[in-house]
Amino acid sequence: QKEVEQDPGPLSVPEGAIVSLNCTYSNSAFQYFMWYRQYSRKGPELLMYTYSSGNKEDGRFTAQVDKSSKYISLFIRDSQPSDSATYLCAMSADWGNNDMRFGAGTRLTVKP
Amino acid sequence: DVKVTQSSRYLVKRTGEKVFLECVQDMDHENMFWYRQDPGLGLRLIYFSYDVKMKEKGDIPEGYSVSREKKERFSLILESASTNQTSMYLCASSPPRDTQYFGPGTRLTVL
Repeated sequence: QKEVEQDPGPLSVPEGAIVSLNCTYSNSAFQYFMWYRQYSRKGPELLMYTYSSGNKEDGRFTAQVDKSSKYISLFIRDSQPSDSATYLCAMSADWGNNDMRFGAGTRLTVKP
Repeated sequence: DVKVTQSSRYLVKRTGEKVFLECVQDMDHENMFWYRQDPGLGLRLIYFSYDVKMKEKGDIPEGYSVSREKKERFSLILESASTNQTSMYLCASSPPRDTQYFGPGTRLTVL
């Protein structure tokens, strides 16, 4: 079993839809949960991060962590074609350490 | 803006060749990393370095080596390239205990 599981998609939605991206994990030591966005032919860039359980909102993006279920989600409201990218979840026990574990990434396409 | 650059976007090599992938960052970051990204497997850490001439093995160091002679430059070396090393290679840098900034990646094909 992988430490981090993420449905690779692809996921295709119409513009304006609410998108839900999810990851599950097995290591209960993870405390920091990150979402990276990777555009085609680019490296990943950090989109959001949360610490422990709870929600965090940033504009149209909301990250949720449920540590009891070992389940994290990223919601995108009012999705735009510019949101089309691969979204990778990542997690680690400590912030900024060297043992981040990444999901495989979900490829999202938002159609105009 | 942090900038991490990688020497090549696309590279095609033959089995058995020695391959050098170069990464340069312009933010004076202490930490530098090399990952490979494969479909269905996500990013996997090959090596990282937290200072000049220092290196630590990541999860999949076999078949790779690294060199960090200057703070801004971190090289990944494939001593004898094999077809199973065909992949996207991503370099990243970070200050100590902070978020990583990624380069655009090098897509390596080994024939």
